[in-house]
Amino acid sequence: DAGITQSPRHKVTETGTPVTLRCHQTENHRYMYWYRQDPGHGLRLIHYSYGVKDTDKGEVSDGYSVSRSKTEDFLLTLESATSSQTSVYFCAISGSGDGLGFGYTFGSGTRLTVV
Amino acid sequence: AQSVAQPEDQVNVAEGNPLTVKCTYSVSGNPYLFWYVQYPNRGLQFLLKYITGDNLVKGSYGFEAEFNKSQTSFHLKKPSALVSDSALYFCAVREKDTGRRALTFGSGTRLQVQP
Repeated sequence: DAGITQSPRHKVTETGTPVTLRCHQTENHRYMYWYRQDPGHGLRLIHYSYGVKDTDKGEVSDGYSVSRSKTEDFLLTLESATSSQTSVYFCAISGSGDGLGFGYTFGSGTRLTVV
Repeated sequence: AQSVAQPEDQVNVAEGNPLTVKCTYSVSGNPYLFWYVQYPNRGLQFLLKYITGDNLVKGSYGFEAEFNKSQTSFHLKKPSALVSDSALYFCAVREKDTGRRALTFGSGTRLQVQP
């Protein structure tokens, strides 16, 4: 999606290994979010950021950490991947002046499989 | 705490017929409400929002939604469904007068439009 990219798009990893997903935006938006999408659960908030080095936990943050050292990058790390973290991960951004009235622009997602 | 309920996992409708996808919400104060659509293997796309003002909100692709404060509902509607409307639809909410920007999403409703 325009202005926001996620990498990688697909990843298969082994249980117990650390994994880092990257979200990069070119919109200079202040707010960035990581969600996971699972059937029957919709999207659940993992972590979010309201500025460089300012982050907070969402409803399903256990086993995940984040970092934001630059406005444009928001990294999600699975410290020791488990099979329950197999999911599709979406990054989103929001900010003033984007015409969405405090809504989000989403990335295309990362499909992560933990084997 | 804020929450969203989408009571129907799937809605089936014939092409040309009107469609409704239901959403109810819960917030402590006033809501910002959103609808997003997800096509297969894609990210979520913004459809429409209610921030303030007219209770009937018009959005992309001919969709509209009606905010009903007394029933805490924000149902998505379209007068005449197209096969191309078949997708997964998410309702989302956040509370208006807090500093927390994160949206809470419903579990999603799959819309199937039969030709």
